[in-house]
Amino acid sequence: QITLKESGPTLVKPTQTLTLTCTFSGFSLSTSGVGVGWIRQPPGKALEWLALIYWDDDKRYSPSLKSRLTITKDTSKNQVVLTMTNMDPVDTATYYCARGLPISFWFDPWGQGTLVTVSS
Amino acid sequence: NFMLTQPHSVSESPGKTVTISCTGSSGSIASNYVQWYQQRPGSAPTTVIYEDNQRPSGVPDRFSGSIDSSSNSASLTISGLKTEDEADYYCQSYDSRWVFGGGTKLTVL
Repeated sequence: QITLKESGPTLVKPTQTLTLTCTFSGFSLSTSGVGVGWIRQPPGKALEWLALIYWDDDKRYSPSLKSRLTITKDTSKNQVVLTMTNMDPVDTATYYCARGLPISFWFDPWGQGTLVTVSS
Repeated sequence: NFMLTQPHSVSESPGKTVTISCTGSSGSIASNYVQWYQQRPGSAPTTVIYEDNQRPSGVPDRFSGSIDSSSNSASLTISGLKTEDEADYYCQSYDSRWVFGGGTKLTVL
């Protein structure tokens, strides 16, 4: 059974840096082709892809947010970490991590998500 | 920038069939696979269709996906609608980055 779970602060202040951790089980991030991605969803709005890291440490970022994002992995701990700098209230959203599958470029399964609120 | 456009909402009665469209803004939607995710209120998305028309195990065959190159669109069709199908549905594809549609709210009434 493959599971992913997001963890991190539920409340951050404007201008602060957000650090989220995705802890997963049931698959290895050292398996060729596999990745872990981050996707967010503001309340009542659509899904937005943020970043993805592949088994070989190849990293991909959303062009619109690239300057603010960093994604890293710790294969031995089965964890992927996303940092987002200079947080703003518009970044208030549920943040999901998900396993990224090769060839077809899709996500499955997803973590339960974690709601991050940006407010002073 | 490649975008996927979905209708904001659709509604249909139980037992009927509904089709949700997902139109690519440029290029050929057939160039990369399209996935469909179901998101019930308060829950994470789950996959109902991957690689244009494949169903994950556990997804009923009432769900089907297709591609229409002439209209540069993908479609999700749900037949024999059940009240439990009421959810938001998102299409997703890839164009040097992962792209999601704006989502369609399906109401079964």
